[in-house]
Amino acid sequence: EPEVTQTPSHQVTQMGQEVILRCVPISNHLYFYWYRQILGQKVEFLVSFYNNEISEKSEIFDDQFSVERPDGSNFTLKIRSTKLEDSAMYFCASIRTGGRADSYEQYFGPGTRLTVT
Amino acid sequence: LAKTTQPISMDSYEGQEVNITCSHNNIATNDYITWYQQFPSQGPRFIIQGYKTKVTNEVASLFIPADRKSSTLSLPRVSLSDTAVYYCLVGEGATNKLIFGTGTLLAVQP
Repeated sequence: EPEVTQTPSHQVTQMGQEVILRCVPISNHLYFYWYRQILGQKVEFLVSFYNNEISEKSEIFDDQFSVERPDGSNFTLKIRSTKLEDSAMYFCASIRTGGRADSYEQYFGPGTRLTVT
Repeated sequence: LAKTTQPISMDSYEGQEVNITCSHNNIATNDYITWYQQFPSQGPRFIIQGYKTKVTNEVASLFIPADRKSSTLSLPRVSLSDTAVYYCLVGEGATNKLIFGTGTLLAVQP
């Protein structure tokens, strides 16, 4: 069964550094998402991406965040200047089509644990 | 903005039916309701999705009342391996963003 993959599984960085989290969505999927989950808390939506542009973003997704699909397979989340409170699990997800009813049958990756020191 | 809320935790025994309710009083009129299961250190996994009334698949049922302001995930006969956090996911009415519920930790005991 095809799956979403994410690298690295764990990233440790110093406050103020830039990090890039990488995701490879399922190959025939069209919508891509990033979510954040702070330890012990619920999953929070960050951003959705379709047709090479952001379609929706949350208030968490401020100017320090950016997303990119640099080629036909990768989907990246960049955090420009990390803060302590950015420490969390970051999940990538993708869906098969752009229809709204399909928006929730998302396939999630295993996540990247980001630790900012 | 209205929150999407769930009970923090529930306890059950193997073989019992478990019902977990999510309150989403600001759901968008055209949005679906979806439930996910999450094990520790893993990404959420899709369980079931519905728009109204009742939906059933091989693992669960989903009950949605006519006003769609809540939904109930029903797990028919739970086992120890069903111990996980369960989230509902809905579109948020005002902004149409995707909002996960607060999550319910289900603990199944032998």
